[in-house]
Amino acid sequence: KAGVTQTPRYLIKTRGQQVTLSCSPISGHRSVSWYQQTPGQGLQFLFEYFSETQRNKGNFPGRFSGRQFSNSRSEMNVSTLELGDSALYLCASSPDFATNEKLFFGSGTQLSVL
Amino acid sequence: AQKVTQAQTEISVVEKEDVTLDCVYETRDTTYYLFWYKQPPSGELVFLIRRNSFDEQNEISGRYSWNFQKSTSSFNFTITASQVVDSAVYFCALRKGAQKLVFGQGTRLTINP
Repeated sequence: KAGVTQTPRYLIKTRGQQVTLSCSPISGHRSVSWYQQTPGQGLQFLFEYFSETQRNKGNFPGRFSGRQFSNSRSEMNVSTLELGDSALYLCASSPDFATNEKLFFGSGTQLSVL
Repeated sequence: AQKVTQAQTEISVVEKEDVTLDCVYETRDTTYYLFWYKQPPSGELVFLIRRNSFDEQNEISGRYSWNFQKSTSSFNFTITASQVVDSAVYFCALRKGAQKLVFGQGTRLTINP
């Protein structure tokens, strides 16, 4: 079974631009969550989707948005990029939406904002 | 609010030494799950263990063991006879109900040959 796939692996953007990151979960997994990882803030939760519905949202500004498609694939979008958005963005999937679900992570998208 | 604290930012030991990674959590709930994940240099987090709040049994898996103590709100992770391949960042995490998974800041473990 293929793991969680995130594309692209690396991305360089300039301030003010927007970016879309993609995540393909493990086949059969219906829950997808996103995390931002930075050296200073650690792992910060962005969103969680299940069956195309956003179930949880982290404390990020409205510039950060996401969605999930009927095939469980997910995208997240960041508009009007700021230097502070430079981070590793990790996507994780799980079979279901439950407290005890273990997450399967992708290798992430490393975003650099210049 | 939930909170997870991993006070050890970095740990460096020599191969074959035993090492314990500390995790302290805060929650007012009685039902929750605790997790440990490993993040090797490649970037993806790898699940190691989960424990529900009603199961205080310690667990051993090969060289890895976990000590869960509700009385001190701790879920510590010990690697016995460490190896260079154990070098990674380790994260402790907490989740209750349908709420988001909350991670600690992580502990960077370096095993020197």
